[in-house]
Amino acid sequence: KNQVEQSPQSLIILEGKNCTLQCNYTVSPFSNLRWYKQDTGRGPVSLTIMTFSENTKSNGRYTATLDADTKQSSLHITASQLSDSASYICVVSPLSGGSYIPTFGRGTSLIVHP
Amino acid sequence: EAQVTQNPRYLITVTGKKLTVTCSQNMNHEYMSWYRQDPGLGLRQIYYSMNVEVTDKGDVPEGYKVSRKEKRNFPLILESPSPNQTSLYFCASSLSGRWEAYEQYFGPGTRLTVT
Repeated sequence: KNQVEQSPQSLIILEGKNCTLQCNYTVSPFSNLRWYKQDTGRGPVSLTIMTFSENTKSNGRYTATLDADTKQSSLHITASQLSDSASYICVVSPLSGGSYIPTFGRGTSLIVHP
Repeated sequence: EAQVTQNPRYLITVTGKKLTVTCSQNMNHEYMSWYRQDPGLGLRQIYYSMNVEVTDKGDVPEGYKVSRKEKRNFPLILESPSPNQTSLYFCASSLSGRWEAYEQYFGPGTRLTVT
């Protein structure tokens, strides 16, 4: 069964600090891996999209990396801001027979304190 | 403004009373889908639609129905809601079902409580 595991489950950091969130997956072969940011009570918003051939993708202070060999991805947040407080979700989509059903991780809850 | 809208945003209903949650997008997207989100679990796909009149089951389709008669609308129907369908529901759309190429945009969510 396809799985996406995220760690840590929750994280508290001080404003201005950097942090890294992890995503391990078993989806294989996979089409792409995405990171979303979800503010409390709102829909997820896409941060990055990476295909299996890409190693890194940046979006402002967010940088995602992908190691397809070890099936691991990370999301690095630089110089955190209070507005970064949210849940960050890793999503992996399969590449098989026209299946478009993605597998979502449970998310990492990030709290940024002033 | 390009967006995905859902209605209602909040709904409390009783077991067995049929309900419909509407979803509409104004971006001429081909692909639309429904998800539910429960505490401690990741988002799970209920149904998706690659285009008009083309729908398919996701991971958790039991107890739900959908239709795609028009490109912009993708309603979610609960014929006989049960308490285990209490959840936060999201509709999403994408230009195409080709996941490697296109962004997926999510609606604001519908919080459903079935008593």
